[in-house]
Amino acid sequence: DIQMTQSPSSLSASVGDRVNITCRASQRIGDYLIWYRQKPGKAPQVLIYGASRLQTGVPSRFSGSGSGTEFTLTITNLQPEDYAVYYCQQTDIFPVLTFGPGTRVDIK
Amino acid sequence: EMQLVQTGAEVKKPGESLRISCTASGYIFTAYWIAWVRQMPGKGLEWMGRIDPIDSYTEYSPSFQGHVSISADKSVNTAYLQWTSLKASDTATYFCARVHTSSWREHDYWGQGTLVTVSS
Repeated sequence: DIQMTQSPSSLSASVGDRVNITCRASQRIGDYLIWYRQKPGKAPQVLIYGASRLQTGVPSRFSGSGSGTEFTLTITNLQPEDYAVYYCQQTDIFPVLTFGPGTRVDIK
Repeated sequence: EMQLVQTGAEVKKPGESLRISCTASGYIFTAYWIAWVRQMPGKGLEWMGRIDPIDSYTEYSPSFQGHVSISADKSVNTAYLQWTSLKASDTATYFCARVHTSSWREHDYWGQGTLVTVSS
């Protein structure tokens, strides 16, 4: 099975900061990479699909980049509602559309 | 409005059976897959498997194959996740999600989650 890793596993940041989260795949997955945000007690929400495409309705402070095996989610001008856990997911290789282990973003 | 509505919380004993449901509305049910995702308490997301409601073709993660069963009834726009013999380690929140098959397979709409507690 393909393995997904994320770094860092957690970070602390202030409102207005720029945050970068990295996701790596153990095999090449092209641009079949999705980023989600999960707020406490809620279902995950798609932020970015196709590695760099902004989901409809998601604020433009979120952006994604990368292809192949290394990907980055960038949040500029961090807002209070962005304190959450962020997951990447590869959607290229079956039978498991694997999630990364998550990155927790806390208030500094 | 697009919605996936899941069964309410369940409390079961080890060895019991259970089926939870995910009912879709606001879109053509057979045009998208449904995936199931497990989240154990305080842990991350685990992809369990998916079903194509048009023909009920399923794929399972090897981690869950043989322990759960995914099915769908397109006449009532509902997908199901079923266990025949629950274990305490099945205690988790289970989410269903719509999979956008004509795009990058993003899981673009999610149910609210069903908390399953298995305890003697």
